[in-house]
Amino acid sequence: DVKVTQSSRYLVKRTGEKVFLECVQDMDHENMFWYRQDPGLGLRLIYFSYDVKMKEKGDIPEGYSVSREKKERFSLILESASTNQTSMYLCASSWGIRGPSNQPQHFGDGTRLSIL
Amino acid sequence: AQSVSQHNHHVILSEAASLELGCNYSYGGTVNLFWYVQYPGQHLQLLLKYFSGDPLVKGIKGFEAEFIKSKFSFNLRKPSVQWSDTAEYFCAVNAVNTGGFKTIFGAGTRLFVKA
Repeated sequence: DVKVTQSSRYLVKRTGEKVFLECVQDMDHENMFWYRQDPGLGLRLIYFSYDVKMKEKGDIPEGYSVSREKKERFSLILESASTNQTSMYLCASSWGIRGPSNQPQHFGDGTRLSIL
Repeated sequence: AQSVSQHNHHVILSEAASLELGCNYSYGGTVNLFWYVQYPGQHLQLLLKYFSGDPLVKGIKGFEAEFIKSKFSFNLRKPSVQWSDTAEYFCAVNAVNTGGFKTIFGAGTRLFVKA
């Protein structure tokens, strides 16, 4: 069974801090994704990656960056955390070379991030 | 731009009632369609998917969904819900041949089933 592991379940940081959220998948998936989940807004894509060292902006990339140095690991970075980045962050992965889009995504448990 | 609409944000049902959750999308080309479920305290998981063939697809736990291309809809159904179906349900659409593979999620429907 696919396992997507996010480094923290809960995280509290202060405004202006640089925040790192880590995600690791164990199924050799090419594609990895970062979403934020907010009530009433569903999941919104922040960034995705279809290969090592490759990244593409999603719908809401402002204030975020990502890093994919190894195939199994995809990191989300909040360059200077702000209170409006308080949210649930979800990492996902899927099969496919540049994503045959009939492949479902496999999600981690999420990181609930609070910025004070 | 592609979008996905889930008509009901909150649904409350009694056990054994029938369920239908609406999902409509806006994209005129080929799509792949998914329903995901998030049980309390758990990660999102796939409930069912459609990408070709029979437009009536069956998923886990007795759920099914019907793709109606003319209506741009992919509604989720279950004939008789159980208390354990209490969860949040997300419809998702992949638009094919747009040069990418971005998945668009709906806002979600919170289902509460009364025992």
